[in-house]
Amino acid sequence: DAGVIQSPRHEVTEMGQEVTLRCKPISGHNSLFWYRQTMMRGLELLIYFNNNVPIDDSGMPEDRFSAKMPNASFSTLKIQPSEPRDSAVYFCASSLGVPSGSSYEQYFGPGTRLTVT
Amino acid sequence: GENVEQHPSTLSVQEGDSAVIKCTYSDSASNYFPWYKQELGKGPQLIIDIRSNVGEKKDQRIAVTLNKTAKHFSLHITETQPEDSAVYFCAAPFNFGNEKLTFGTGTRLTIIP
Repeated sequence: DAGVIQSPRHEVTEMGQEVTLRCKPISGHNSLFWYRQTMMRGLELLIYFNNNVPIDDSGMPEDRFSAKMPNASFSTLKIQPSEPRDSAVYFCASSLGVPSGSSYEQYFGPGTRLTVT
Repeated sequence: GENVEQHPSTLSVQEGDSAVIKCTYSDSASNYFPWYKQELGKGPQLIIDIRSNVGEKKDQRIAVTLNKTAKHFSLHITETQPEDSAVYFCAAPFNFGNEKLTFGTGTRLTIIP
């Protein structure tokens, strides 16, 4: 299995620009998670989906952030407009997941390092 | 939601010695405790996990112990090797029956050759 795939691996953009991060979960996994990692705040969950439906978006910092999962094999995290404080590593993870909610092993992708200047 | 505390934040051990990292949690209903290893420039990798129906689990040089009464769990690495150098994170469910995980703040482990 190829594992969780994320693209791009690195993104450098100017403040005010739109940024789109992409994720392909492990085939057969029903849950997908978007995390952000910074030195100051550690690993934060932004949003997670189960069966393509957003279940919890309480970690999304503000309206500039949006996430979609149009099908079981693809998700995007969009930042518009981007700001320097959005600079971080963004990880996508997937798990088998169950509709009733139970903790399953989460497998992380390699991350996207975002730098907003 | 769950509160997870992890100690120490940094740990240096001589190659061949053992390393122990400890985490405490607040929700007594928590039932799943994974450990992740993150190498430089990579995503966290699940290395071992334990569920609340067992007290200890081993996988070669790695073991995790769980004390539900005291609400803490620990990662034990024996016969450490240079490739064990990384940042290690513990985690616990945000609340019972929830897929969300709350992560500890991480321990940077350095193995001294």
